[in-house]
Amino acid sequence: DTEVTQTPKHLVMGMTNKKSLKCEQHMGHRAMYWYKQKAKKPPELMFVYSYEKLSINESVPSRFSPECPNSSLLNLHLHALQPEDSALYLCASSRGTVDGYTFGSGTRLTVV
Amino acid sequence: AQTVTQSQPEMSVQEAETVTLSCTYDTSESDYYLFWYKQPPSRQMILVIRQEAYKQQNATENRFSVNFQKAAKSFSLKISDSQLGDAAMYFCAYRSAEDSSYKLIFGSGTRLLVRP
Repeated sequence: DTEVTQTPKHLVMGMTNKKSLKCEQHMGHRAMYWYKQKAKKPPELMFVYSYEKLSINESVPSRFSPECPNSSLLNLHLHALQPEDSALYLCASSRGTVDGYTFGSGTRLTVV
Repeated sequence: AQTVTQSQPEMSVQEAETVTLSCTYDTSESDYYLFWYKQPPSRQMILVIRQEAYKQQNATENRFSVNFQKAAKSFSLKISDSQLGDAAMYFCAYRSAEDSSYKLIFGSGTRLLVRP
C-alpha cells in the first residue's frame, strides 16, 4: 500500500458544527502532516506529527485540533470554524527527511 | 529562514515540445533536499523529482530532469516531450536536512498549460 487516504473528500459544515477529517497510511511512515491550501496558493503547513507526537504547530487557531491515535492514523478535529477556513486540507506522510512526502487527495472543506 | 521563489505564475508549451520551469531558493544551510511536485486538477500532490544538495549530478526521472545550480541557489525543472497529462500546477519545495522538523517549504507555484 503506497497511498495516503483521506476522508471525506468533501465536507460542508456550519460554523457551530463539530466535524473531523481523517487521514490514514500503511506505509510505515513515522511523520505525518496537515496542510491547508487555498485556491491557487501553495500548501501551508499546519501541524507535524513525528512518532505520534506533535512536533510542530504553526500557530494554528485552537478551533483546529489534531490527533494522532496511532502511527497509521491522523485526525483533524474541527469546531466553530469560520468561512475563511474554507480550503483544501491535505494530509501527507514521510519516512524521514530524505524522502519527499506522499500526499493524500485532500478534503475540500466549505464552512457556511 | 528559508524561502522558495517561483517567478513564473504560468507557462505554456506545445505538446511534444520542451519547457523549463524556474525555481530559486534562499538558505544558509549546506545540506538540504529540493523537490518538484505536480498538482493536477484532481488536486493530489504528486512527487515528480527529488534532488539532494550534496549530489552534484542532476536528478532525472524519465521525461523530467532538473538543472541544479547550488552556488546560484537555482533548481529548474525541464519537461521533455510534453504531454497533455503534464498540464498542472508545479510547486518547487525545499526541505532542510539539518533539523528534525521535516518541514517542507513550497514556492508559489507555476501553472503549466499544454497546447495540443
